[in-house]
Amino acid sequence: EPEVTQTPSHQVTQMGQEVILRCVPISNHLYFYWYRQILGQKVEFLVSFYNNEISEKSEIFDDQFSVERPDGSNFTLKIRSTKLEDSAMYFCASRPTEDTQYFGPGTRLTVL
Amino acid sequence: QKEVEQDPGPLSVPEGAIVSLNCTYSNSAFQYFMWYRQYSRKGPELLMYTYSSGNKEDGRFTAQVDKSSKYISLFIRDSQPSDSATYLCAFRRSGNTGKLIFGQGTTLQVKP
Repeated sequence: EPEVTQTPSHQVTQMGQEVILRCVPISNHLYFYWYRQILGQKVEFLVSFYNNEISEKSEIFDDQFSVERPDGSNFTLKIRSTKLEDSAMYFCASRPTEDTQYFGPGTRLTVL
Repeated sequence: QKEVEQDPGPLSVPEGAIVSLNCTYSNSAFQYFMWYRQYSRKGPELLMYTYSSGNKEDGRFTAQVDKSSKYISLFIRDSQPSDSATYLCAFRRSGNTGKLIFGQGTTLQVKP
């Protein structure tokens, strides 16, 4: 069964550094998402991406964040100048048309 | 009033019990209703997806939606220790980018 994959599973970085989180969505899906879950808190929407552009972003998704689909398979989230409060699980999700979203296993980001 | 309310639990039941998990919501624009299961430090896994009031059954799981009361439920019959996880309700409006709004999650423990 096709699934969303994410790399790395765990990323440790120093405050102020840039990180890139990578996702491979399910191949025939058209909509792509990033969500964040701070430990003990709810899953929060960050951004949605369709037709090679951002279709919606949350208040969390400020200039520090960017997304890209550099080729036909990968979908990346870049966080510039990481802060301690960026430590969280980051989930990628994808969906076909009107169906719901399928999530990847997540990347645990630890900012020291 | 919060957009989505879900009792975080924890909820502890003996093996074989019927489990009832609930969420209330305030946004009348929500048209799609989902339940996800999340094991510790893993991605949300889709369990049930529906867009109409009424019941939907899949094996031991039944999802119930009452749009008039803005209330959704997930019932688990013959609960197993492997059902021990956090259960997330999620909501989506129609015709938009597909952003999901999650509840806090209810932690369930099924004791053998």
